[in-house]
Amino acid sequence: NAGVTQTPKFQVLKTGQSMTLQCAQDMNHNSMYWYRQDPGMGLRLIYYSASEGTTDKGEVPNGYNVSRLNKREFSLRLESAAPSQTSVYFCASSEHRGYGYTFGSGTRLTVV
Amino acid sequence: GENVEQHPSTLSVQEGDSAVIKCTYSDSASNYFPWYKQELGKGPQLIIDIRSNVGEKKDQRIAVTLNKTAKHFSLHITETQPEDSAVYFCAASRSGGGADGLTFGKGTHLIIQP
Repeated sequence: NAGVTQTPKFQVLKTGQSMTLQCAQDMNHNSMYWYRQDPGMGLRLIYYSASEGTTDKGEVPNGYNVSRLNKREFSLRLESAAPSQTSVYFCASSEHRGYGYTFGSGTRLTVV
Repeated sequence: GENVEQHPSTLSVQEGDSAVIKCTYSDSASNYFPWYKQELGKGPQLIIDIRSNVGEKKDQRIAVTLNKTAKHFSLHITETQPEDSAVYFCAASRSGGGADGLTFGKGTHLIIQP
């Protein structure tokens, strides 16, 4: 039972480059989330998808876009990476919005 | 929106002693309060949660208490062991999810001294 799988685990980008972070869950959960984690800031919500076909902005959405490809997959795209986006990114899923999140193992992104 | 404050940011205790981490929340409509443990290089993992119709919940060495009137909740770990060393996050949300789902505290780094 894999739970929530994130790829890649590590990535280094140059300023201005673009990339997509992938997330897939195999628990048949309805809701999926993207968080970023920075030292001393805790976990901050970037975007979430309450159910297949819907996406909404969280606390820090600027510079990011998301796609809920199907019930299993929720991707996060950085169109033009900036050093301020250096962070650890976590994807999570839950059966019902706001309850019992399961997190992936994270993607450590460095923008130089 | 919801605001969750967590204290302390770092807590060092002797192995075998108890550890207590405290959180306060601002939205009186919040009714779900989970705690997550994050080990180095891993994602947060749910360890215990409590809903607002319950004042206390225990699971072996860990327990969570909730005071709705004061809008605070706490994590208690008894007989601490080296494997309890990690970062712990509290969180809060409203059923049906407010716009933001879970709002997290900034975390507590728990260090168990041998």
